[in-house]
Amino acid sequence: NAGVTQTPKFRILKIGQSMTLQCTQDMNHNYMYWYRQDPGMGLKLIYYSVGAGITDKGEVPNGYNVSRSTTEDFPLRLELAAPSQTSVYFCASSPRAGGEQYFGPGTRLTVT
Amino acid sequence: GQNIDQPTEMTATEGAIVQINCTYQTSGFNGLFWYQQHAGEAPTFLSYNVLDGLEEKGRFSSFLSRSKGYSYLLLKELQMKDSASYLCAVDSNTGKLIFGQGTTLQVKP
Repeated sequence: NAGVTQTPKFRILKIGQSMTLQCTQDMNHNYMYWYRQDPGMGLKLIYYSVGAGITDKGEVPNGYNVSRSTTEDFPLRLELAAPSQTSVYFCASSPRAGGEQYFGPGTRLTVT
Repeated sequence: GQNIDQPTEMTATEGAIVQINCTYQTSGFNGLFWYQQHAGEAPTFLSYNVLDGLEEKGRFSSFLSRSKGYSYLLLKELQMKDSASYLCAVDSNTGKLIFGQGTTLQVKP
């Protein structure tokens, strides 16, 4: 099993551009999460999903959108990128609410 | 509100023992996780405590006191490869985990 995979690994965006960060898991987990991690800081929850078709905002959702059309995929969309969105983005999945989370390798995004 | 506190940085010597503390104040509590995160990598699961007491797993142990809102991660026989950030996270019965900012541990020879 691949676990949680994320693409791309690295990306540089110009201010105002848009992009989609991809996340796929093959563990049939219902719960999926998107976090951002700024240097020297903990994980901040952007959006999460409890199953296909259901998404909800986390702590820092502004400037982002998500969709969950299948159990496997949970893409994160950045519209009108800003320098404040420079960060490392981690996707995670879990078999149950509040359970152990399995993380993808992360996407390192720079907005200049 | 929801609050989790950990020391920002710690330094210890190879072969020694180090204790990383975590205090929490959350509206609900089901359990507490510890994750390890090496620089440039994703967090990986270390331990999960639900009941009060000490859970031992090899060189790593984790302790929980629910009444005090307190946990610690104990690392014995420190090795250079233990240099990493250690994240405390609470399952606050909201379907999500609340993460502390992490403690960066530097192990010196």
